Amino acid sequence: GAVVSQHPSRVICKSGTSVKIECRSLDFQATTMFWYRQFPKQSLMLMATSNEGSKATYEQGVEKDKFLINHASLTLSTLTVTSAHPEDSSFYICSARDYNLAKNIQYFGAGTRLSVL
Amino acid sequence: GENVEQHPSTLSVQEGDSAVIKCTYSDSASNYFPWYKQELGKRPQLIIDIRSNVGEKKDQRIAVTLNKTAKHFSLHITETQPEDSAVYFCAATTSGRNQFYFGTGTSLTVIP
Repeated sequence: GAVVSQHPSRVICKSGTSVKIECRSLDFQATTMFWYRQFPKQSLMLMATSNEGSKATYEQGVEKDKFLINHASLTLSTLTVTSAHPEDSSFYICSARDYNLAKNIQYFGAGTRLSVL
Repeated sequence: GENVEQHPSTLSVQEGDSAVIKCTYSDSASNYFPWYKQELGKRPQLIIDIRSNVGEKKDQRIAVTLNKTAKHFSLHITETQPEDSAVYFCAATTSGRNQFYFGTGTSLTVIP
């Protein structure tokens, strides 16, 4: 199946710093990528939908100034957690939808575990 | 919007027994229903999916059934093995919609 690369896999940072997470679709074009947050033993919580060439669509309750999303190309979306605080510690996962609409499959990255000290 | 409910939240079975996970959805327009398996600390992986034009799909020990009238679909795992232990998520969407709506997940434990 298609591959989505997410980097880094783990980040430990000090409170107040910003962290950038990259999500790349390696062998297909993804006009749409999704960013999820997952707490231990809980489901995937959609944070935002990243659209290539336009502004991201954020879910209710997600601060767009806190979680900056950029989708500059058909294969790359980035999530920047600005001024991270301990409560931002979580597992962040991206997914990319195959450009071929007939497939309508989401492929997930391996996730980034963020720990804010 | 779509609302997907998933049951049970946890499930323990003896190795060799069958496991069934059920999901319901609210939007009758949904026509694509994937199932993902997520092992601890790893990415969710698509294991099987079904579209609304079929009622059942099988892939070796895994099968999915869909009841469009009742708006529910189920994952069936037969002859379970310890490596089947993971969290399973169902989802629903339409072919014209970007967003997938995920269930809350089922933590499956297969006891050797």
